[in-house]
Amino acid sequence: QQPVQSPQAVILREGEDAVINCSSSKALYSVHWYRQKHGEAPVFLMILLKGGEQKGHEKISASFNEKKQQSSLYLTASQLSYSGTYFCGTPYNFNKFYFGSGTKLNVKP
Amino acid sequence: EAQVTQNPRYLITVTGKKLTVTCSQNMNHEYMSWYRQDPGLGLRQIYYSMNVEVTDKGDVPEGYKVSRKEKRNFPLILESPSPNQTSLYFCASRRGGEKLFFGSGTQLSVL
Repeated sequence: QQPVQSPQAVILREGEDAVINCSSSKALYSVHWYRQKHGEAPVFLMILLKGGEQKGHEKISASFNEKKQQSSLYLTASQLSYSGTYFCGTPYNFNKFYFGSGTKLNVKP
Repeated sequence: EAQVTQNPRYLITVTGKKLTVTCSQNMNHEYMSWYRQDPGLGLRQIYYSMNVEVTDKGDVPEGYKVSRKEKRNFPLILESPSPNQTSLYFCASRRGGEKLFFGSGTQLSVL
């Protein structure tokens, strides 16, 4: 029941773009995105709700297509500070929360 | 400052010795939950609570207990820890359908 994330890992140079995908076999009503630095707690990035909306946070944005049961996270002009592991998560029935297995992003100078 | 406080940060114990990891939030959130994080598996929900005295199993509840006697506290209890419970644990809380606030984590090693 875990959402499936791809790719598992990405290596970028500063200034390059990346896309992280999250797909589900079950209906999605909302999708959360979090970033985690090594040894730290996950930090909230954004929530997307039903309606196919796209949200943005500086140079990080995301889309949500509930028909396709997919969400994508877009990182543009990546910075060193973007390095970390990105997780999508979804409350399938509001209470039970499932996270994807994560995408490790490494931004190099 | 709004926060979720988790203790201890690190814990080493032996098989079978009961332990409790505490979690407290100061945001008056109804919803609290526990997760374990293992390499390659992401975060998996152990238990969650919708309010005081209301708890339910998550995806991996075996070997764990929880209680919610007060709204702010949600301790995780391992009555007889085993080595396969060695993991990084996070407590989190939220209001309604909003974002999760995470504690700083507890790295548990069971020898």
